[in-house]
Amino acid sequence: SYVLTQAPSVSVAPGQTARITCEGDDIETKSVHWYQQKSGQAPVLVVYDDSDRPSGIPERFSGSNSGNTATLIISRVEAGDEADYYCQVWGSSYYFVFGSGTKVTVL
Amino acid sequence: QVQLQESGPGLVRPSGTLSLACTVSGASVISTNSWSWVRQTPGKGLEWIGEINHSGTTNYNPSLKSRVTMSVDTSKNQFFLTLASVTAADTAVYYCARDRRRTAYFFDFWGQGTLVTVSS
Repeated sequence: SYVLTQAPSVSVAPGQTARITCEGDDIETKSVHWYQQKSGQAPVLVVYDDSDRPSGIPERFSGSNSGNTATLIISRVEAGDEADYYCQVWGSSYYFVFGSGTKVTVL
Repeated sequence: QVQLQESGPGLVRPSGTLSLACTVSGASVISTNSWSWVRQTPGKGLEWIGEINHSGTTNYNPSLKSRVTMSVDTSKNQFFLTLASVTAADTAVYYCARDRRRTAYFFDFWGQGTLVTVSS
């Protein structure tokens, strides 16, 4: 199986930039997707295929993927961005794998 | 807008069978998409359980494969999950979701989730 590693938590001040990382072996060869999960709610897709945004997701959410690290970037962080964020990849031998999640706290 | 809604018992006895349904609206289970179940144990992360397409073809997480069965009812636009021989470790919020693919597969729509507790 494929393992994705995320830092447990990230803290950021309002208006600043949050960077949430997802590490995996040669992850740059895979498409990485990101979900936001607010307390008590279902996950919501915020970035797919490394850097594309679904309709309705603010441009403040972006992504990158290089080497062994994929990154979700939240610019101009707002209080409403406080949530858990999960990365996910798909492979034909293991199907869907999620990272362990990163809790983003807005100070 | 695609919507998914999980339904089923919130309490299952140990060694019993967990059974859930997912009702889809705004889309048809008879489509090129597959449909998945994902669970989240309390305070922990997300775990993919398995997927099914409209013709009934399934793929399961190897860690759960021996206990999981999925099915689909195209006439009711629903798909189903059964998990046998449950233990307390199967206590979780269970989500149904739609698979989507651009470059690779992801989940573009999720149900609100339903908490299933395994307890006597």
